[in-house]
Amino acid sequence: EVQLVESGGGLVQPGRSLKLSCLASGFTFSNYGMNWIRQAPGKGLEWVASISSSSSYIYYADTVKGRFTISRDNAKNTLYLQMTSLRSEDTALYYCARHVIHTPFAYWGQGTLVTVSS
Amino acid sequence: DIVLTQSPALAVSLEQRATISCKTSQNVDNYGISYMHWYQQKPGQQPKLLIYEGSNLASGIPARFSGSGSGTDFTLTIDPVEADDIATYYCQQSKDYPYTFGAGTKLELK
Repeated sequence: EVQLVESGGGLVQPGRSLKLSCLASGFTFSNYGMNWIRQAPGKGLEWVASISSSSSYIYYADTVKGRFTISRDNAKNTLYLQMTSLRSEDTALYYCARHVIHTPFAYWGQGTLVTVSS
Repeated sequence: DIVLTQSPALAVSLEQRATISCKTSQNVDNYGISYMHWYQQKPGQQPKLLIYEGSNLASGIPARFSGSGSGTDFTLTIDPVEADDIATYYCQQSKDYPYTFGAGTKLELK
């Protein structure tokens, strides 16, 4: 069974940093691209970043480019999102999701909540 | 960026048909495949994939859900609507980065 478990969320002040993790199990992690997708409270879904299976290809939404870094450790079956210079508008539930390029997000984690507030 | 436009809400009666539309600002077809997908999200839950590549039913999804369309116009149909289908539905394109979602259509009971 595919499982994705996010962690690392919490309350953080504007301008500070936070690192999210997503532990994957139930499939060969190194064969799949991974993504971060977020959802602000009461709002819709926003794709944040993608990383290919070997980390050769990385893409970011313009809203986070230059502030967020997606990475992965295939030996640890773990996806990361390093978030810096956090803003109030980054407050959201952050999901990790599995996919292969051009395919849908077939598997999602439960999400980890990031709240940016002073 | 490819913009996806959905109506904010749709009111339907149980056992009737619900039709949810998604219009894209650019063609999301390529090599005969429509890179359009549909998700269902209930409060407090992660999104669930319903339809992929325009019209393919995802694993475990009931046959009362169907998808159609191509190019820039797509439709998710639920027929008949059951009480468990009350949720928000999102379309999403994966033709080009940045991948984008529609704003969601909230299905409500009439």
